[in-house]
Amino acid sequence: GAVVSQHPSWVICKSGTSVKIECRSLDFQATTMFWYRQFPKQSLMLMATSNEGSKATYEQGVEKDKFLINHASLTLSTLTVTSAHPEDSSFYICTLQERVVSNEQFFGPGTRLTVL
Amino acid sequence: AQSVTQLDSQVPVFEEAPVELRCNYSSSVSVYLFWYVQYPNQGLQLLLKYLSGSTLVKGINGFEAEFNKSQTSFHLRKPSVHISDTAEYFCALFTGGKLIFGQGTELSVKP
Repeated sequence: GAVVSQHPSWVICKSGTSVKIECRSLDFQATTMFWYRQFPKQSLMLMATSNEGSKATYEQGVEKDKFLINHASLTLSTLTVTSAHPEDSSFYICTLQERVVSNEQFFGPGTRLTVL
Repeated sequence: AQSVTQLDSQVPVFEEAPVELRCNYSSSVSVYLFWYVQYPNQGLQLLLKYLSGSTLVKGINGFEAEFNKSQTSFHLRKPSVHISDTAEYFCALFTGGKLIFGQGTELSVKP
């Protein structure tokens, strides 16, 4: 399956700062990537669908101005949490989807964000 | 509306005992179903998937699941669990271009 990396794996920042999380597909050209958020002891919630070369599609209730997504190439999507606050502390996971055969999604290892 | 319900939030079991993690789904269209495992502070790893064909699906680490269309279920089973199976397990439904996750089941294997 496809290999997905995320950077950083964990980050601690002060309230009010912005944090960029990178999601890279190491061996697969992904026209579509997904960003999920997972709060402690909870399930994954889809935040947005990232499309290469076009604007991301956000799920209801997700602030597009706060969570900026840029899918600049077939192997890189970035999520920027702007003006982060403690309630944004979460585990952020990206995935890419294999669309040809199985629609299987391949998961990145996740990024733990802690906002102080 | 499409949804996934995992009926047990926590399942404690002794080592070498069998286990079943239950998952029910709701969908009005054809479905693809997945089971994922998540170890602490890690991403998700695919255990198995049902796309079509045989309703009994075998996955990694000795897990299997059975797709039951009439009962809209996709329960995960393992005949004998190990301590290393302790993790969070998520059932997911792929529909409408998206993955919809269940709430997760915490499997705790005790010696």
